[in-house]
Amino acid sequence: DTGVSQDPRHKITKRGQNVTFRCDPISEHNRLYWYRQTLGQGPEFLTYFQNEAQLEKSRLLSDRFSAERPKGSFSTLEIQRTEQGDSAMYLCASSRWGQDPTNEKLFFGSGTQLSVL
Amino acid sequence: QQPVQSPQAVILREGEDAVINCSSSKALYSVHWYRQKHGEAPVFLMILLKGGEQKGHEKISASFNEKKQQSSLYLTASQLSYSGTYFCGTLERDFGNEKLTFGTGTRLTIIP
Repeated sequence: DTGVSQDPRHKITKRGQNVTFRCDPISEHNRLYWYRQTLGQGPEFLTYFQNEAQLEKSRLLSDRFSAERPKGSFSTLEIQRTEQGDSAMYLCASSRWGQDPTNEKLFFGSGTQLSVL
Repeated sequence: QQPVQSPQAVILREGEDAVINCSSSKALYSVHWYRQKHGEAPVFLMILLKGGEQKGHEKISASFNEKKQQSSLYLTASQLSYSGTYFCGTLERDFGNEKLTFGTGTRLTIIP
C-alpha cells in the first residue's frame, strides 16, 4: 500500500475565497471518506463515497461544501466563500468495504490544514 | 449522535494500566478504535463486531457489549509509545447510514 495522500498539506486563504483539496486513496479501496477535525476534537464526518457515488453528506454541512469522486478514484473537496469557522484539519480516509467486516478499517491521510484569515 | 468517551484525559506512569470507555445511544454493528499522536493522522488499532467480542493486540485489548452499546479499550503495562489521543468510532450499519462516527476522544499521557 502506498497509503492515502492528500494535497496540499497546508492552505492559507482569505475569507471569501474558494479552496479545493485533493485526496488520493489506496488504489483498491472502494470507500472514501472526508472528515474535519479541530483541535482537541474527534474527526467530524463530512461525506463519503462508494466508488464514484456519494452516499451521504452531513446535514451539518452547508451548501458551500461540495465533494466529488470522478471515476471512483481520487476525490476533491471544495469549499466556496470560505469563512473563519472553516479553519480546521480536513482528513481523507479510505477503506475496503463490503467483503470482510473485520477488515473495514479506515486508513487516513495526513490531512490538509486550512487556515482562513 | 457522537459517542461519549471517558475519561477525557488520563496520565499514567510507565507500566500502569488504563481503561478507556466508549458509550453510544444507538444500536451498534461494530466499534473501531484509533490512536492519534500529536500532528499525525489517526491510526487504526482494532475492530470489534457485535456479539460481545473481545480482541487483543499485544498489551492492548478491547471488548464490545452490544446490549449496552458500550466498548472499552484496555491498555496494560503501558509504554511511552502509547501516549496519544484515543478515539472510538461507532458504526450503526443501517441502510443508508454506514459512516463511522468518532467519539469525543481520550488523551493519554505516559510519563517515565
